[in-house]
Amino acid sequence: GDSVTQMEGPVTLSEEAFLTINCTYTATGYPSLFWYVQYPGEGLQLLLKATKADDKGSNKGFEATYRKETTSFHLEKGSVQVSDSAVYFCALIGGKLIFGQGTELSVKP
Amino acid sequence: GAVVSQHPSWVICKSGTSVKIECRSLDFQATTMFWYRQFPKQSLMLMATSNEGSKATYEQGVEKDKFLINHASLTLSTLTVTSAHPEDSSFYICSARDPDEQYFGPGTRLTVT
Repeated sequence: GDSVTQMEGPVTLSEEAFLTINCTYTATGYPSLFWYVQYPGEGLQLLLKATKADDKGSNKGFEATYRKETTSFHLEKGSVQVSDSAVYFCALIGGKLIFGQGTELSVKP
Repeated sequence: GAVVSQHPSWVICKSGTSVKIECRSLDFQATTMFWYRQFPKQSLMLMATSNEGSKATYEQGVEKDKFLINHASLTLSTLTVTSAHPEDSSFYICSARDPDEQYFGPGTRLTVT
């Protein structure tokens, strides 16, 4: 069945460092791909999405490109801030939303 | 964007009692709503999918008699945890889908003592 695999956390970075969180997927067909963010004690917020191959989703300085050839949707940000500390979930939708296991990001001043 | 609310945001109950959690789509109609459960430091586990006016579809391993779901209208779904036990303590998140996207509520923290 469909599945999503994320790099394990926690990831700890200093402020202004470059961020990459890897995400790969297995799916039949060409699902839409998402990154969600969850701040402590809160629900999930959609961060960005891409609906077809080579699409780039972007929001708040975060980017991810839908790579069909490598079945990947890696999340990147050029300069992280302390306020970016959260758990990030990669997901795909194929009938129902399927999440990766989440990657906790901690950004230190 | 669309907003999904949950009530209550947190609840403490005694073992053996039942607790109802409400999920509302505030500015759109959601024919399909989802209930997830999340344990600390873990991903979301889909519990069930509810469609307005019909019975919910439960994921494998989820007790339908324990987690009662009612999707009474296009903007309201409820999850009732019946005869709650400490192992039911968790963070419950609902989600509602419109044609383009799936939106999540802020979650309800349930603690059973």
